[in-house]
Parts: sequence; C-alpha cells; structure tokens
Amino acid sequence: AAGVIQSPRHLIKEKRETATLKCYPIPRHDTVYWYQQGPGQDPQFLISFYEKMQSDKGSIPDRFSAQQFSDYHSELNMSSLELGDSALYFCASSLSSWGRHNSPLHFGNGTRLTVT
Amino acid sequence: AQSVTQLGSHVSVSEGALVLLRCNYSSSVPPYLFWYVQYPNQGLQLLLKYTTGATLVKGINGFEAEFKKSETSFHLTKPSAHMSDAAEYFCAVSLNRDDKIIFGKGTRLHILP
Repeated sequence: AAGVIQSPRHLIKEKRETATLKCYPIPRHDTVYWYQQGPGQDPQFLISFYEKMQSDKGSIPDRFSAQQFSDYHSELNMSSLELGDSALYFCASSLSSWGRHNSPLHFGNGTRLTVT
Repeated sequence: AQSVTQLGSHVSVSEGALVLLRCNYSSSVPPYLFWYVQYPNQGLQLLLKYTTGATLVKGINGFEAEFKKSETSFHLTKPSAHMSDAAEYFCAVSLNRDDKIIFGKGTRLHILP
C-alpha cells in the first residue's frame, strides 16, 4: 500500500540558507501535518493543512512557511536556517471529516535536516 | 489544553517479561488516545488508538492499552516482550474536534536478553 512520501531523506544546509521539504500524502488523504523532532526529543507539532487551507498552527517559527497544493502535497519552506533547526521533520497525513479522527495519522519516514 | 505525561524516559524489561509503559493524560473533554512506536531511523507507526466504546484496545504486535477515565491513564502493555519490541514509544492525545495530536516525550523500551 502507498505510504506517505517525504523528500529528500537527508538534507545538509549551512546557516542562513533556505530549505524546502516536500511531503506527498497517502492518496485521498486531505489533511497534512508537519512535526519537528529534535535529537532525543518528542515530535513537536508545527502546522497542519486541511483541504489546502491552514487548519492549525503550532510552534512553527516565523522563518518557516508551508502550504498544501491542489494535489494535496505539502511543502515546508525554511529560511535563514539556524543550527537549532537541525532535526527530523515528519509529515503525516490523514483523512479527516468534521475534525474527527476517522483515520489515524500515517507518518512518512521523515527528512533529516542538518544545519552546519 | 490537552497534555500527555509518560512516566519513565527509559524502561528495560527482560525478553519474555511483561511490558508496561505508563501514560497519563490531561484533557478538558473526552479525548482520543493513541500509542505510536518509532523504530530507529523510521517514522512513527500507530500501535493502537482509543476513540469511544470498549476501554480495552488491542493493537498490533500483541500490544494493548486500557483507557481508565477515573485514573486519566492509558497504559500500554504486552504480556511477553520480544527483542524486536525495542523502540521508542509515544503516547498521544487529541480532542474530538481537533485534528492536532499532542505527543508525550516518549519512552525508550530496552529488551534485555
């Protein structure tokens, strides 16, 4: 069965550079979530989209932005990268109706971002 | 606001022994509760979830969890640990009408031979 696809798997950037992470949800899933997991830490919710509109916002820095496109894939854009941005960035998708969890989150394998 | 507390960042059990990972939640409304597992270098996978109905929930790989409202707990158990169960386990909570899932800080399960 198709899973959540994230690209790239690994990314190395220097401070002050920009990065774009991509997430392709499971077909027909309409909701995408982004999580950031620092080394040895729990996943922190960044932002989510439902039907191409931002549905919730968590601890996402102002330097980051994201959007969901018409084909439901999502991109997380990160600018002015800092050392502290080094983390594993997970994307998850689900099929949501009326905000209820009709399906659980399905996570991608993540993009490991290293900022040097 | 909802929150999750996992007791013990590291738990070690012998192979074949009972696994018990503790999770307590805080929520102003009846919550949805989840356990996710993360194997090294992989994404999170759903083990089981509680939404409504039966309070004892069975998941994959022989895991189960019981929702106890009076104790605000959702502890994860498995009767007999396998070496392959070594992983990080996250308890999570969400509200009925809120898409966002809030994760606990995780418990690293070590299996001793």
